[in-house]
Amino acid sequence: DTGVSQNPRHKITKRGQNVTFRCDPISEHNRLYWYRQTLGQGPEFLTYFQNEAQLEKSRLLSDRFSAERPKGSFSTLEIQRTEQGDSAMYLCASRRTGENTEAFFGQGTRLTVV
Amino acid sequence: DQQVKQNSPSLSVQEGRISILNCDYTNSMFDYFLWYKKYPAEGPTFLISISSIKDKNEDGRFTVFLNKSAKHLSLHIVPSQPGDSAVYFCAAKGTTSGTYKYIFGTGTRLKVLA
Repeated sequence: DTGVSQNPRHKITKRGQNVTFRCDPISEHNRLYWYRQTLGQGPEFLTYFQNEAQLEKSRLLSDRFSAERPKGSFSTLEIQRTEQGDSAMYLCASRRTGENTEAFFGQGTRLTVV
Repeated sequence: DQQVKQNSPSLSVQEGRISILNCDYTNSMFDYFLWYKKYPAEGPTFLISISSIKDKNEDGRFTVFLNKSAKHLSLHIVPSQPGDSAVYFCAAKGTTSGTYKYIFGTGTRLKVLA
């Protein structure tokens, strides 16, 4: 168990550019989440995958955001035409099958849009 | 609509004393509750959880209490140690309500004074 891995740890981009983040979940976990956290707030849910199926999306996830988990293993989160308001910590979490199971988080990707 | 609320943004406690962190929720469909600890620049780390069929769960120095009628849960840390200084988030999930997401509060920053 190597934990949830996120890359890159930090990303600075100019407004209007596209960015993509990667998440590698714990290997036996088939459930995967993306969250966003800004200063002084708790993590905000963005989207959820069970294996490769995207089962739930937040209204926060505008058309500029897209997430994939093509083979039910790693996942990517892409933000197109970044805006300064996208600056945040993007967190990925995974959990194993079962109703009452905890999610384990990665260390996050800190995005700064300048 | 903040469904999970942590009304105390910060708390200071002397080393060796008890720390009590509180959390309130509004959605009666929540039936699984968790506490996470977060250090700066890291992802949240799972601490302890409780199902709605219980009113108490204990793990070492950490105990979570759930009062369903009041829609309130608390985390007790005894004895508090300087290494416990971090931001603590409570989270809730509605296992039977058809949603998969964890909803987080805004966090309480705990400072344990040596």
